[in-house]
Amino acid sequence: EIVLTQSPVILSLSPGERATLSCRASQSVSSYLAWYQQKPGQAPRLLIYDASNRATGIPARFSGSGSGTDFTLTISSLEPEDFAVYYCQERSNWPPTFGGGTKVEIK
Amino acid sequence: EVQLVESGGGLVKPGGSLRLSCAASGFDFSTYSMNWVRQAPGKGLEWVSSISGSGTYIYYTDSVRGRFTVSRDNAKNSLYLQINSLRADDTAVYYCARDLAAAGLAVDYWGQGTLVTVSS
Repeated sequence: EIVLTQSPVILSLSPGERATLSCRASQSVSSYLAWYQQKPGQAPRLLIYDASNRATGIPARFSGSGSGTDFTLTISSLEPEDFAVYYCQERSNWPPTFGGGTKVEIK
Repeated sequence: EVQLVESGGGLVKPGGSLRLSCAASGFDFSTYSMNWVRQAPGKGLEWVSSISGSGTYIYYTDSVRGRFTVSRDNAKNSLYLQINSLRADDTAVYYCARDLAAAGLAVDYWGQGTLVTVSS
């Protein structure tokens, strides 16, 4: 089973700032990595799939990059609604696995 | 509009059973693989099971294999998860989740979840 390690665990930023979230895999997952956003009491929402493809309806301020074992989710300028928990997820092997999450909180 | 609505969760004693259901609408259900993903209270996400559109291919994560059974009824646009021999660590919100067509085993739509609590 592939282990995904997300960092930092908590990211404290102000609206308008740039957020950079990291996800590192224990072995190569090629480009088979997705990012989700989850707000309290809600189901996750798909942001990015296959490392860099924005899902339908996702604003351009969200971008993903990376391949192999190191991936990044960037939010170019934080909006108030972006403060949430973000999870990465790989689909290169069974079972798909999730990272432990990064909480983006208001500074 | 794609909708996934889970039901069947509740409080059950250790060793007990439950059957979770997911009613799907707004898309051609039979052409999509479907998944169950769970989240323990205050914790991260765990992929539980996947089933192909025809029901031919079925997968389980190790911790539930032999206790959980996934199935689907394409005529009823419904997904099911039979969960037996429940343990305390099965306590979680269980999400019904549709596979992204462009990238299998990524999820583009999620239900609201149904809470399963295992406690004596």
